Amino acid sequence: SAVISQKPSRDICQRGTSLTIQCQVDSQVTMMFWYRQQPGQSLTLIATANQGSEATYESGFVIDKFPISRPNLTFSTLTVSNMSPEDSSIYLCSVGLAAPDTQYFGPGTRLTVL
Amino acid sequence: AQKVTQAQTEISVVEKEDVTLDCVYETRDTTYYLFWYKQPPSGELVFLIRRNSFDEQNEISGRYSWNFQKSTSSFNFTITASQVVDSAVYFCALSEVDNYGQNFVFGPGTRLSVLP
Repeated sequence: SAVISQKPSRDICQRGTSLTIQCQVDSQVTMMFWYRQQPGQSLTLIATANQGSEATYESGFVIDKFPISRPNLTFSTLTVSNMSPEDSSIYLCSVGLAAPDTQYFGPGTRLTVL
Repeated sequence: AQKVTQAQTEISVVEKEDVTLDCVYETRDTTYYLFWYKQPPSGELVFLIRRNSFDEQNEISGRYSWNFQKSTSSFNFTITASQVVDSAVYFCALSEVDNYGQNFVFGPGTRLSVLP
């Protein structure tokens, strides 16, 4: 498994601003994923962030709204841009060591947009 | 397309009761993986188990057991002698692998409340 940390753990933001969420892993991993969990809902994959290539976004998610960086094998960031109250969710990063493999999740970032 | 159904939205039991959480999946692949995760109120997803499509052996881990039946496309999870600390949302997930990588789909989750 892997130990994953996320920063911030929670935040309250104003409409129209942007927030960058960091995900740090204690070991080198090829695959990192970003998920959104809206209140009372299941997890929805936003994008896959593999080191050395552009992030791959799922249907309904675009790079302008959710830019992702993956500068190395232990770190990634997700930015939620131009936020609206509908962006209020838990954002989780996860890692997989190889495909197919279990995904291990970070503790999540609880975002509230006013 | 792959799909995971957890028909039970919420379940409430009294401590020490046994409880089974249902999971039914759909996939066209012959090779796939099934998972269960626990999400306590703190929000973190905790990995519980992974099963591949070629291994239909049931598994027991302490008070937890899993029943995988390909004939009915089900991967059910039973907690024996439930405890208050088992209260959480439980997610079943399905993973397929193709040439483009891994495709992970979560079910809607079942909220389990264990009452003292």
